Amino acid sequence: DTAVSQTPKYLVTQMGNDKSIKCEQNLGHDTMYWYKQDSKKFLKIMFSYNNKELIINETVPNRFSPKSPDKAHLNLHINSLELGDSAVYFCASSQGITNEKLFFGSGTQLSVL
Amino acid sequence: GENVEQHPSTLSVQEGDSAVIKCTYSDSASNYFPWYKQELGKRPQLIIDIRSNVGEKKDQRIAVTLNKTAKHFSLHITETQPEDSAVYFCAARDTGRRALTFGSGTRLQVQP
Repeated sequence: DTAVSQTPKYLVTQMGNDKSIKCEQNLGHDTMYWYKQDSKKFLKIMFSYNNKELIINETVPNRFSPKSPDKAHLNLHINSLELGDSAVYFCASSQGITNEKLFFGSGTQLSVL
Repeated sequence: GENVEQHPSTLSVQEGDSAVIKCTYSDSASNYFPWYKQELGKRPQLIIDIRSNVGEKKDQRIAVTLNKTAKHFSLHITETQPEDSAVYFCAARDTGRRALTFGSGTRLQVQP
């Protein structure tokens, strides 16, 4: 069974479109995250939720909106996609907000044309 | 906030040699330092971690050392094998933001 699963794996879309990425974890963890990995492989935190409550919101354009319907799910919606949004987006989870031992999903490669 | 610097950005070694990757961090309050391995096209996976109350930790061929005074920590891989080829990330826990801050990654290539 996949511990942290995210869909879709690949997402190719035109500039200006709106898209969503979904993430689910079956580890019983309380905290979930979205990380962005750019073309240089740099991993940067975007958001973190603990028990459906937003606890980290980095300097991310407000075109990006996370939603956590329950503690096992954290989705990412992106409005008005831009070329610079092209990256791999990783969902992750950990037990508690002390942020130890991140378990990553398999990533979503977003390509904006 | 926390700033983590990682060196080198690329490292090529012969199979059987040792590899060392070094990181420095800025926040003296950081107390947790994990290392992640990311194979090509795969997700990052935790390979070893160390807390600030420990100076060294070893797990088979990999070890991590921590110097709190100098604020740096290192990953050591001995007897490297081709399957060790990957991108390795160090990270430090930013207690202020309750988030892991990652280094920029080291691409390790082990030549058979």
